[in-house]
Amino acid sequence: KAGVTQTPRYLIKTRGQQVTLSCSPISGHRSVSWYQQTPGQGLQFLFEYFSETQRNKGNFPGRFSGRQFSNSRSEMNVSTLELGDSALYLCASSLWASGSNEQFFGPGTRLTVL
Amino acid sequence: GDSVTQMEGPVTLSEEAFLTINCTYTATGYPSLFWYVQYPGEGLQLLLKATKADDKGSNKGFEATYRKETTSFHLEKGSVQVSDSAVYFCALSEGGGSNYKLTFGKGTLLTVNP
Repeated sequence: KAGVTQTPRYLIKTRGQQVTLSCSPISGHRSVSWYQQTPGQGLQFLFEYFSETQRNKGNFPGRFSGRQFSNSRSEMNVSTLELGDSALYLCASSLWASGSNEQFFGPGTRLTVL
Repeated sequence: GDSVTQMEGPVTLSEEAFLTINCTYTATGYPSLFWYVQYPGEGLQLLLKATKADDKGSNKGFEATYRKETTSFHLEKGSVQVSDSAVYFCALSEGGGSNYKLTFGKGTLLTVNP
């Protein structure tokens, strides 16, 4: 079974631009979560989607948004990029949105904002 | 809110040494606890988990026991190998449904020298 895939793997953008990252979960998984990883803040939860609905959101500004499609694939968008948005963005999928379930992570998209 | 505190790194050991990485948590209910590992340039992989008090998670020689009385989930391995060099994250998940997310510690970088 294929793992979680994320595209692109690397991105370089300039301040003020916007970016869209894509995530394809493991087949059959309905929950998709996004996390931001930075050296200073560590791993922080962005949002979680289940059946095309955003059900939980972390403490990030409205410039960060996302969506999930009917096939469970998900995208996240960051508008008006800031230097501080440079990070590794990780997507994770889970069969069910239950606390005991394992989340399977993709390799991440490395975003650099210049 | 929920939080996870794990020992600051980096940790440097010689091959075959004993490893302990401390992890304590704060949660309002009864979380599930996880250890994830991240190898250079990769996403996170689940190493082990425990879903209730006194459960012991184990995998690849690593072990951790869910201690409710001390709110701890320390990671141990009796004899580390060079291939264990990675960043280790302790995490908890308390809710399902609209509260579904992972809360991570800051991570501990482990380097094992031959």
